Amino acid sequence: GESVGLHLPTLSVQEGDNSIINCAYSNSASDYFIWYKQESGKGPQFIIDIRSNMDKRQGQRVTVLLNKTVKHLSLQIAATQPGDSAVYFCAENNNAGNMLTFGGGTRLMVKP
Amino acid sequence: DAGVIQSPRHEVTEMGQEVTLRCKPISGHDYLFWYRQTMMRGLELLIYFNNNVPIDDSGMPEDRFSAKMPNASFSTLKIQPSEPRDSAVYFCASSSSGGSRYGYTFGSGTRLTVV
Repeated sequence: GESVGLHLPTLSVQEGDNSIINCAYSNSASDYFIWYKQESGKGPQFIIDIRSNMDKRQGQRVTVLLNKTVKHLSLQIAATQPGDSAVYFCAENNNAGNMLTFGGGTRLMVKP
Repeated sequence: DAGVIQSPRHEVTEMGQEVTLRCKPISGHDYLFWYRQTMMRGLELLIYFNNNVPIDDSGMPEDRFSAKMPNASFSTLKIQPSEPRDSAVYFCASSSSGGSRYGYTFGSGTRLTVV
C-alpha cells in the first residue's frame, strides 16, 4: 500500500532543520487528536496523540500543539531526517465512539 | 504481534471479475476498519466492525462492495463485479475498545488495479 500520487500540500525542508506540519480540525467536541505518518509502501502509523484538555505534548523529536481556540493542530519535528520523509495525517476523534476522522495529509520532503 | 496482516499486497484483475481482500487484525482488538485511499478522496472509511458485527457501512460506495467478519481474527472485503474506478489502495485497521486514544493500527494495504 502506498499514499501514492495524492495531490497533497507539500513541505520541503533541509535535513537538520525543524519541520512544522499544520492541520485544521472541524469539531470542537473532539476528545483526541492523533498524528499518523505514512511512508511509501506502508499503511499510516501512529506517531503521537494529544487529549483535548492539553495544549502540548512531546515525544521523541516530535511535539504536538493544540490550539482549541482556532481549532488548529500542529506537529513539530526537530532536526528533520531523511527518514522523516512521508505523508503526515492528522485525525480527530469526533464522537463518543471509537471513530477517527482523517485530514487530507501533508507530504514532507527532506532534502539532504 | 505481527500487526495487522492484509493479503494480497497487490491485485490486478479485469473489469467484471470478483475481488476478495483479506485482513487479519491484531489479536485482542475488537474494532476493525476498512479504508480506501485514492488520489482524489484520500482516506475514506468504508465500513467498520465491533466484536465482529458491522456497525456502520455508510461508506461502502455501492452494492458491489460487501464486507464480512466471520470471526475475531478474519475479515474480507469483496467487490463483485469490479470496475476500473475501484482501483485504489485498500487498508484494514484494528483497534482496541480503549478507543481511539491509542489510535488505529493499519495494515500495509492491498493495491488493487482493475483493468
